Amino acid sequence: QSALTQPASVSGSPGQSITISCTGTSSDVGGYNYVSWYQQHPGKAPKLMIYDVSKRPSGVSNRFSGSKSGNTASLTISGLQAEDEADYYCSSYTSSSPWVFGGGTKLTVL
Amino acid sequence: EVQLVQSGAEVKKPGESLKISCKGSGYSFTSYWIGWVRQMPGKGLEWMGIIYPGDSDTRYSPSFQGQVTISADKSISTAYLQWSSLKASDTAMYYCARVTLQYYFDYWGQGTLVTVSS
Repeated sequence: QSALTQPASVSGSPGQSITISCTGTSSDVGGYNYVSWYQQHPGKAPKLMIYDVSKRPSGVSNRFSGSKSGNTASLTISGLQAEDEADYYCSSYTSSSPWVFGGGTKLTVL
Repeated sequence: EVQLVQSGAEVKKPGESLKISCKGSGYSFTSYWIGWVRQMPGKGLEWMGIIYPGDSDTRYSPSFQGQVTISADKSISTAYLQWSSLKASDTAMYYCARVTLQYYFDYWGQGTLVTVSS
């Protein structure tokens, strides 16, 4: 099972919005609404930020939002803050596995 | 409060065996799958396998089938990941995480760093 495709890095200035894409196939991202996103700060465990494509767990800032179009899911962070600097991973249910992760995206807040 | 607490860092030699643990609390341990996720140094997340502590039903990622063994002792709310013969390439951080019915990992352990070096 190939990993989902994410950009290696994205950057933005405080207050701006950024979007991280996550591209898969019709067997994973495009076929199910089971896309989730995780934030990982250096030396820390991943933290769930988005599930079921666009739902936020309790306690996660509403600056984080998720969406999906076809085989590509997206995570948008609005009002960028210094504390958002981290690695972000997408994940999807897949008929064959049942999970596949993206390769991860390093977000730099300039 | 849901918590997953993992055992401490390990330093092993190639060929040695190892079993690391993940203890759950604050929820019904037998009602949720527990997954194990590997993160090699500087790399991304890879799911290894999952176990349902209620009946020990276990599923493995094809990449890890035969390489590791996942087990659980529901009497002490603990899941395990074990190797019979470690390799240098097993050097990584290993996380356990609770799995929901919607196929996401909602709570994570703090991670166990395994270093395999001669």
